[in-house]
Amino acid sequence: GENVEQHPSTLSVQEGDSAVIKCTYSDSASNYFPWYKQELGKGPQLIIDIRSNVGEKKDQRIAVTLNKTAKHFSLHITETQPEDSAVYFCAASRGSYDKVIFGPGTSLSVIP
Amino acid sequence: ETGVTQTPRHLVMGMTNKKSLKCEQHLGHNAMYWYKQSAKKPLELMFVYNFKEQTENNSVPSRFSPECPNSSHLFLHLHTLQPEDSALYLCASSQGNGGSEQYFGPGTRLTVT
Repeated sequence: GENVEQHPSTLSVQEGDSAVIKCTYSDSASNYFPWYKQELGKGPQLIIDIRSNVGEKKDQRIAVTLNKTAKHFSLHITETQPEDSAVYFCAASRGSYDKVIFGPGTSLSVIP
Repeated sequence: ETGVTQTPRHLVMGMTNKKSLKCEQHLGHNAMYWYKQSAKKPLELMFVYNFKEQTENNSVPSRFSPECPNSSHLFLHLHTLQPEDSALYLCASSQGNGGSEQYFGPGTRLTVT
């Protein structure tokens, strides 16, 4: 079955710097890759997703890149702010009617 | 507010107790999920319901029993749990199974004593 790995497990950056989280997946049939943010006391919330027919997607300060050949994808957060501090999860799925497999998470701390 | 509510938010139960977790979604979604979140482990998918039919049981012990009476409500019945079952239990819903955004509730923090 699908296995998703995520690095680093913890990440500290200064406010205003960039943060990068990397994930790899094992199932070459996966074609949907969402990223979720979980704040303390809340459930995960989707922040961006990418499908296999594109290599990059951007939404304001957040961008995701996908390399299907290497089976890895990354989350990039620019101009980090304290409110970006949270746990971030990457995930992979074969798409409709298939379960989503989550990575173990990255705890991001943005230091003011 | 994600449109997915869970009750109770916190639960402490003994190993011989029987309790139930409730999830309700107000989004008109067709699929609902139970996940277990333990410290320093990936989110573990437990059960998936699609149009009220169970489509996934991820080798979950029988002491966890799900129930989905309609597309808006999902229950997780608990009995004779073990201390290692202590975790955050998250409910989620989506339009379809996989390949679409999942909306999570805030979770129920379960402690088994």
